[in-house]
Formats: sequence, C-alpha cells, structure tokens
Amino acid sequence: KAGVTQTPRYLIKTRGQQVTLSCSPISGHRSVSWYQQTPGQGLQFLFEYFSETQRNKGNFPGRFSGRQFSNSRSEMNVSTLELGDSALYLCASSLAVTSDPDTQYFGPGTRLTVL
Amino acid sequence: AQSVTQPDIHITVSEGASLELRCNYSYGATPYLFWYVQSPGQGLQLLLKYFSGDTLVQGIKGFEAEFKRSQSSFNLRKPSVHWSDAAEYFCAVASSGGSYIPTFGRGTSLIVHP
Repeated sequence: KAGVTQTPRYLIKTRGQQVTLSCSPISGHRSVSWYQQTPGQGLQFLFEYFSETQRNKGNFPGRFSGRQFSNSRSEMNVSTLELGDSALYLCASSLAVTSDPDTQYFGPGTRLTVL
Repeated sequence: AQSVTQPDIHITVSEGASLELRCNYSYGATPYLFWYVQSPGQGLQLLLKYFSGDTLVQGIKGFEAEFKRSQSSFNLRKPSVHWSDAAEYFCAVASSGGSYIPTFGRGTSLIVHP
C-alpha cells in the first residue's frame, strides 16, 4: 500500500504570496491532519479534516486554511505569506474509525521557504 | 492544557550501549502517549503508543516505553543502540474523548558514536 504523499516537496515563495500544498493519504484513510514544524516552535498541529469537514483546529491565524475532497485528498493554503511561515509542513493520515486518537502515518513533508 | 517536556535536547551514546529518552507530560486525565522518530529529510514514523492496559509497551525497531502515572512519565528505552538509530525522537500526548489535538515535545536528537 502506498504511503502518504505530499506535493511539492520543496517550494520557494516571496512575502505576500499565497501557497497551496497537497496531501494524498493512504488509501482507505479518512482523516488527514496537518502540522507545521519549525526549529523555533517545534511541531505544531494546524488542523484535521475528516470526511471533508474540519474536525479539529490548532491555534493558527486565519491565513492558514485547508480542505478535504471526497477522495480524502487534502490541501492546505497559506495566504499573505510571512517570513515566519518558512517551515516543514507535514501531513498525516489515519483510519479514524472512532473519534479517539488513531495511529497517524506521516508524509515526508513540504519544505516551504519564504523570502 | 496538555504539555510535553523532553528534558534532553541532545543525547550521545556509543553503538551497542543502552538508551533511555525521557518524556514527561502534563494532562489531567489518562492520556494517549506516543513516541515518533524522524530521520533527516523524512516525516515522522510511529515507534509505539500507549492508550491503556499494560504500562510497558513494545514498539518497532526494538524500542519499548513504560508509562508511569505517578511520575507523569513515558520514557523510551532500547537495550542496544545501532548507528541507524541516530535521529530525532519526539514524544507526544493527545487527549482522550473525541478531540484529537496532539501536543509534541521539542524533540531529543540522538547521536550514536561508533
């Protein structure tokens, strides 16, 4: 079974631009979560989508948004990029049969650099 | 609010030596606890998890962890470290009861000397 895939793997943008990152979960997985990883703040939870609905949300500004499609693929969007948005963005998928925490499988991440 | 502390930023061990990575959590009820490993340029891989039951949990790659409620700890151990274990290790806690917002520790970087 193929793992979680994220595209693109690397991205360079300038301040003020917007960016869209894509995540394809493991086949059959219905939950997709997004995380931001930076040297300063560590790993922080952005949001989780389940069956095309945002089920949980971390403490990030509204510039960070996401969506999930009917095939469980997910995208996250960051508008009006700031230098501090430079980070590794990780996507993770899980079966999520129940609402309790399930084993998450992570993708390799998208490295975003904002200049 | 839940929190996780990994007191050691870096740990250096010799190949073949035993390893213990510390993790302390703060959470009111019984937490869900996880250990992940991240190699350079890679995403996170789950090593093991504790939800309930036996407090000694076995994971992949020869790792184990012990949940100690009285000490609010979930330390990761391995009896004999291999050079390929060099990586960043993250402890995480999640709440039970329907709202899965995990909190990660800042990570411990493991360096293995030959």
